[in-house]
Amino acid sequence: KAGVTQTPRYLIKTRGQQVTLSCSPISGHRSVSWYQQTPGQGLQFLFEYFSETQRNKGNFPGRFSGRQFSNSRSEMNVSTLELGDSALYLCASSPGPAGANVLTFGAGSRLTVL
Amino acid sequence: AQRVTQPEKLLSVFKGAPVELKCNYSYSGSPELFWYVQYSRQRLQLLLRHISRESIKGFTADLNKGETSFHLKKPFAQEEDSAMYYCALASSGNTGKLIFGQGTTLQVKP
Repeated sequence: KAGVTQTPRYLIKTRGQQVTLSCSPISGHRSVSWYQQTPGQGLQFLFEYFSETQRNKGNFPGRFSGRQFSNSRSEMNVSTLELGDSALYLCASSPGPAGANVLTFGAGSRLTVL
Repeated sequence: AQRVTQPEKLLSVFKGAPVELKCNYSYSGSPELFWYVQYSRQRLQLLLRHISRESIKGFTADLNKGETSFHLKKPFAQEEDSAMYYCALASSGNTGKLIFGQGTTLQVKP
């Protein structure tokens, strides 16, 4: 069974640009969560989607948004990039709903903002 | 406030020695706790969850509600246990929202 796939794996952007990251969950998994990982703040929850609905959102500004499609694939978007958005963005999927907290993580998308 | 604290950034032990990775949490409800592990050049993966009460790769963790702790233990460390370990708390029901501790690097020396 294929794991969680995230694209792109690496990207470099400049301040003010926007970025879209993609996540394909494990087949059959309907819940997708996104996390930001930085050396200073560690792993921080961004948001979670189940059946195309955002069920939970972390404490991030509105520049961070996401969505989920009917095939459970998810995207997250960051607009007006700031230097502090440089991070590893991790996507995780889970069967949902009862097992939504048992996460299988992708390899991450490493974003560098210059 | 909901919080997970892992007081040690680095824990270094010799092979065969016992290991205890500490985790304390702050949560007003009934907690659901996990340990996740990241081996070198691998993805973050689930090690165990307190509900399962199982032993994975020789590791166990017991939830102590009185001390609000969920320490990870192994009686005899192996070199392959060297990794980053994260304690995590499910803070909002079954919605995939976990609060992670800062992580502890376990280094097992030969």
